[in-house]
Amino acid sequence: AQSVAQPEDQVNVAEGNPLTVKCTYSVSGNPYLFWYVQYPNRGLQFLLKYITGDNLVKGSYGFEAEFNKSQTSFHLKKPSALVSDSALYFCAVRDDQAGTALIFGKGTTLSVSS
Amino acid sequence: DAGITQSPRYKITETGRQVTLMCHQTWSHSYMFWYRQDLGHGLRLIYYSAAADITDKGEVPDGYVVSRSKTENFPLTLESATRSQTSVYFCASSELGGVSPLHFGNGTRLTVT
Repeated sequence: AQSVAQPEDQVNVAEGNPLTVKCTYSVSGNPYLFWYVQYPNRGLQFLLKYITGDNLVKGSYGFEAEFNKSQTSFHLKKPSALVSDSALYFCAVRDDQAGTALIFGKGTTLSVSS
Repeated sequence: DAGITQSPRYKITETGRQVTLMCHQTWSHSYMFWYRQDLGHGLRLIYYSAAADITDKGEVPDGYVVSRSKTENFPLTLESATRSQTSVYFCASSELGGVSPLHFGNGTRLTVT
């Protein structure tokens, strides 16, 4: 069965510092991996995805994520955090041998202080 | 405007009542999904649909019914609402299923009293 874990409920960083939001996954086949962001009272917005190819994926708003197959991780990163990055971040995975739907992690709240 | 619209935005209902949450998308995406969001659980998949008249269960389908008679609509019905179904419900669509990003509506906050 496919699963995804976000080990940190909350990440706190100062504006201008680099940020990392962690994600690990478990699948039987090959993973399709996604990051989404949610602002208060809104639906989730797509940030980036890894399907195949380069392990470093670049996405919206300066975010990037690194796929590490040996560690089964897909951590979200940004070199310099902004206060406006404060939001709830979700990692999601689909197993290419287990159907269509995405399975989401429980989410990590990112708080960027000025 | 193109997009995905959920209605109502907020709903309060009583235990045992039937309630239907609506979802409409204007992209003609093949795939549509219903998730519920609960504190401590993240998003959990209720049902999804790969095309009109094709639906399948997700992680937490019990107590819910879906239909997809038209590509653009994917209503979710709670046949007899329970307090445990108090949640925020999100509808999403995607063009190609698992390899395409999901586009989410703004959610329906449902309270069952």
